[in-house]
This record gives sequence, C-alpha cells and structure tokens, in this order.
Amino acid sequence: DTEVTQTPKHLVMGMTNKKSLKCEQHMGHRAMYWYKQKAKKPPELMFVYSYEKLSINESVPSRFSPECPNSSLLNLHLHALQPEDSALYLCASSQTSGGSGEQFFGPGTRLTVL
Amino acid sequence: GENVEQHPSTLSVQEGDSAVIKCTYSDSASNYFPWYKQELGKGPQLIIDIRSNVGEKKDQRIAVTLNKTAKHFSLHITETQPEDSAVYFCAAKDSLGGTSYGKLTFGQGTILTVHP
Repeated sequence: DTEVTQTPKHLVMGMTNKKSLKCEQHMGHRAMYWYKQKAKKPPELMFVYSYEKLSINESVPSRFSPECPNSSLLNLHLHALQPEDSALYLCASSQTSGGSGEQFFGPGTRLTVL
Repeated sequence: GENVEQHPSTLSVQEGDSAVIKCTYSDSASNYFPWYKQELGKGPQLIIDIRSNVGEKKDQRIAVTLNKTAKHFSLHITETQPEDSAVYFCAAKDSLGGTSYGKLTFGQGTILTVHP
C-alpha cells in the first residue's frame, strides 16, 4: 500500500476562521511533508517532519502551524489566512527524509480563502 | 541551493509518437532524480526515478536517462496514449545531507498533450 490520504478534499474558509488539514499514511514512513502548490506551478516545500520532529521549516508564515501527533499522522493548522494562501496543499511521505527513498504524495486539499 | 530547469514547458504529440522531456540541475551533490505525473485535480504520482549510480532505467513505455557529467536527465515516453496527457515534473535531491536535507527541488513542469 503506497497510499497517502488527505482530508478534506476541498475547504473554503474566511480570513478569520481556524481550520485544520489532515494527512495519514500507513506505510511505516518516518518522514512526512507539507507542500503548497499554485496552479500550473511545481509543489513548494513548506515543512518536513522526521521521526515526528520538525526538521525543515521553509520560512513559512506563522499562520500555518504544523503538527505531527504520531508517525502516521500529520496536521496543518490554519489561522488568519489570506486570499493569496488559496492553493492545493499536498502531503507526502517517505521512508526517511534523508537517503534516496521515494516520496509519495497524497491527493491534496484544495483550499480557498475568501 | 539546487536549481532545476525543465524543457519544454508544453509538448503536444500524436498518439503513438514518442515524447521527451529534459531537465538540467546545478548541484553536483544531487544524486536522486524522480519524475512525477500529475493529472488534473490529483496529487503528483511518482512514475520513475533514477539514482546517480545508474545511467538509464526503463519501465515498460517509460525510460529515464542520466548524464552526471553534463548534469542533465531526461524522461522518454514511447507509444504515447491519450491517458499519458498530464503535467510532468522532474526533481532532484541531495540525499547525503547538507542544508537541503530531505528537500526535493522540482522543475517547472511540462504539460504533455497526446492527441488521439
């Protein structure tokens, strides 16, 4: 099973809302990632978790707050977002963050900020 | 940091033709090169990858070649089918450490259209 699942598929929120994106994998991977993807652009790395610890934060604004409750779950908490944050948010996982292991992506959450 | 250039940005072929997408990278420390296919409304799907100790890898109609000296790698799709239509991204990774540990650097993508 090489599946990464994400919920919800679509999310519409106002600028004052608080919402969370969820990601789950059961491949025993110890690295999980959040990416942001704008239309017709490649994914941009936001955060890397390695063994449930945040190892890379690509200077992401604090209105995005990641959380890794256990080795299978990854959340992204959203608060006070801006319309320019509307995008496809992708979760990915790999065996470890180092090494040349395959990185598998979920289907994404399409976020619209009004 | 690593920089990956991908060409062409769009590619239109007739069904049955071959398609080739090329990428160049800047960091000689990069040693892992995956290719992803992204269909509309879906996440990127890993279709093939190559490591720096290998020059070529093939999986049915898809092949990837790597030239470490020239720092470029290419995706070859033979006997294209309409279902091959998608956006294709190349990527590069330094798997041995450094400040970019864990980070994939993507090319800008190629929109492939296969006409029936």
